[in-house]
Amino acid sequence: DGGITQSPKYLFRKEGQNVTLSCEQNLNHDAMYWYRQDPGQGLRLIYYSQIVNDFQKGDIAEGYSVSREKKESFPLTVTSAQKNPTAFYLCASSPGTGMTYEQYFGPGTRLTVT
Amino acid sequence: AQRVTQPEKLLSVFKGAPVELKCNYSYSGSPELFWYVQYSRQRLQLLLRHISRESIKGFTADLNKGETSFHLKKPFAQEEDSAMYYCALSSTLGRLYFGRGTQLTVWP
Repeated sequence: DGGITQSPKYLFRKEGQNVTLSCEQNLNHDAMYWYRQDPGQGLRLIYYSQIVNDFQKGDIAEGYSVSREKKESFPLTVTSAQKNPTAFYLCASSPGTGMTYEQYFGPGTRLTVT
Repeated sequence: AQRVTQPEKLLSVFKGAPVELKCNYSYSGSPELFWYVQYSRQRLQLLLRHISRESIKGFTADLNKGETSFHLKKPFAQEEDSAMYYCALSSTLGRLYFGRGTQLTVWP
């Protein structure tokens, strides 16, 4: 089913703590993406990576960090600097970075920070 | 700047009625547009893309460059069509710009 896994499904953290969300794909895709999904706001791009060891900021990168040390993995760290971290986070991948490529999505991680 | 607008947050129709989900975009180049769908308790997935010009699950979408629109249409809605629908535009870098989504409910 999709070949993209995100763990955990639900995550709870105290304010002030950093937390890392996992995203793994076995589709041999070059590109990977992190989105944040909030009710009424659609999907907003946090970071994306077109190739290993390279990544670019999306529209709402402040308070987040990523790494891409392996092709199949693209973890997202939500830092304490992110002012409103409670949200649903979606990871996606695509075979390449051309305009016509479909993105394949993971099941998502719901993060709650209190 | 790239922008995708879905003017309807919620849309309700009865089973068998036609349905149209609106999508307007702004993009300086030649756009590639997509519709993604998220059924309850399922992953977000591609429904159809402009470049394929295909009909998926009875849905079609026509790119109107003059009106900068990519509306999604189905002549006879079914209950299983109830879902959240997102229109998306792809840039030359392959990143997607999503609209805010339209929640479609099809009543029996």
